[in-house]
Amino acid sequence: NAGVTQTPKFRVLKTGQSMTLLCAQDMNHEYMYWYRQDPGMGLRLIHYSVGEGTTAKGEVPDGYNVSRLKKQNFLLGLESAAPSQTSVYFCASSDDRDRNQPQHFGDGTRLSIL
Amino acid sequence: LAKTTQPISMDSYEGQEVNITCSHNNIATNDYITWYQQFPSQGPRFIIQGYKTKVTNEVASLFIPADRKSSTLSLPRVSLSDTAVYYCLVEGSGGGADGLTFGKGTHLIIQP
Repeated sequence: NAGVTQTPKFRVLKTGQSMTLLCAQDMNHEYMYWYRQDPGMGLRLIHYSVGEGTTAKGEVPDGYNVSRLKKQNFLLGLESAAPSQTSVYFCASSDDRDRNQPQHFGDGTRLSIL
Repeated sequence: LAKTTQPISMDSYEGQEVNITCSHNNIATNDYITWYQQFPSQGPRFIIQGYKTKVTNEVASLFIPADRKSSTLSLPRVSLSDTAVYYCLVEGSGGGADGLTFGKGTHLIIQP
């Protein structure tokens, strides 16, 4: 049981380039989330999804887009990367039966924008 | 949206009991309190969750007073491997993004 898998684990981009981060979960969870974590900071919610085909904005959505075409996958896109988006990105998922089920996190994607 | 406040850092020694308190004055009736642990270069990991009174599992205990405006995570007999950042979240029921804000957490350092 892999849980939550994020790819890639590391990536370096140049300003203006685009890329997509992939999150996959094998727990049949309805809810999925994307966070970013900057040095010495907590996690801030970028976007989240409450089910296949749905997305919603979190605390810091600007500069990012997401898609949830399949229940098990949640994609985070950067259309035109900026140095301010250098961060560690974490994906998480949680069960839908009870909103208070804990989140399960991946190990992160470390993204540097030059 | 209940905001949480917890100490930035704490130090302790191996074998001691560590208590980390989180304040959440605006907690709503349907909100739960959840604690996560994060090691460097890893995602947060669920430790314990509670609604009121006391909850205990194999890792920790969570104490919540009757007014629910604070909660205390208790780690018994800590070891060096308990050095990590601990986050307190107050999550609303019913979906949405309520409570999905991780503050800076408490950086717990365990010394030999």
